[in-house]
Amino acid sequence: QVQLQESGPGLVKPSETLSLTCGVSGYSIRSEFYWGWIRQFPGKGLEWIGNINYSGTTYHNPSLKSRVTISVDTSKNQFALKLNSVTAADTALYYCARVRFSGSCYFDYWGQGTLVTVSS
Amino acid sequence: QSALTQPASVSGSPGQTITISCTGSSSDIGYYKYVSWYQQHPGKAPKLLIYEVSNRPSGVSNRFSGSKSVNTASLTISGLQAEDETDYFCSSYTTSGTWVFGGGTKVTVL
Repeated sequence: QVQLQESGPGLVKPSETLSLTCGVSGYSIRSEFYWGWIRQFPGKGLEWIGNINYSGTTYHNPSLKSRVTISVDTSKNQFALKLNSVTAADTALYYCARVRFSGSCYFDYWGQGTLVTVSS
Repeated sequence: QSALTQPASVSGSPGQTITISCTGSSSDIGYYKYVSWYQQHPGKAPKLLIYEVSNRPSGVSNRFSGSKSVNTASLTISGLQAEDETDYFCSSYTTSGTWVFGGGTKVTVL
């Protein structure tokens, strides 16, 4: 059973860096899948942030690209998100997910999400 | 404002069939077959219901089905049950190499 679990601070100050980790269990991150980050704003709208594979190939949402860093740690079977220069607009529920990106495009397993609030 | 447009709410009585629409553009839904649907219970991880417009993952009830016409995708729930009352959202890959999502639809079982 593939399981993903987000972890990280729930409160980040404006202008600082949001850092989250996604631990993967039940499946090796060294596979044909990509691993992604998606966020859901308080009004329910969702936004794709970016994807990474085990070799470090990344794809980012152009609207966030300059602020986003996604990395992978295959030894820990986890991947991470860093979003710098955050503002209140970055307050959201952050999800990590497994991404089918070979021959198709969808998110087949998701974490439960972690709420990040940007506030001083 | 979400890139894909869904109705805010849809309702139906137990046993009925309901359809949720998801409208995009010629750069996403209209271009690719990569439309997917997700069910989201409060506080739970979203669950994949449909991928590639109409394919169901193993374990998903055949009461859920998907289709697409031009720039609009649809999720149909037949034999509506109380457990289907929750939120649903759609997603599509785009010609820009990104993913876009709908704003979500709340299904109410009357």
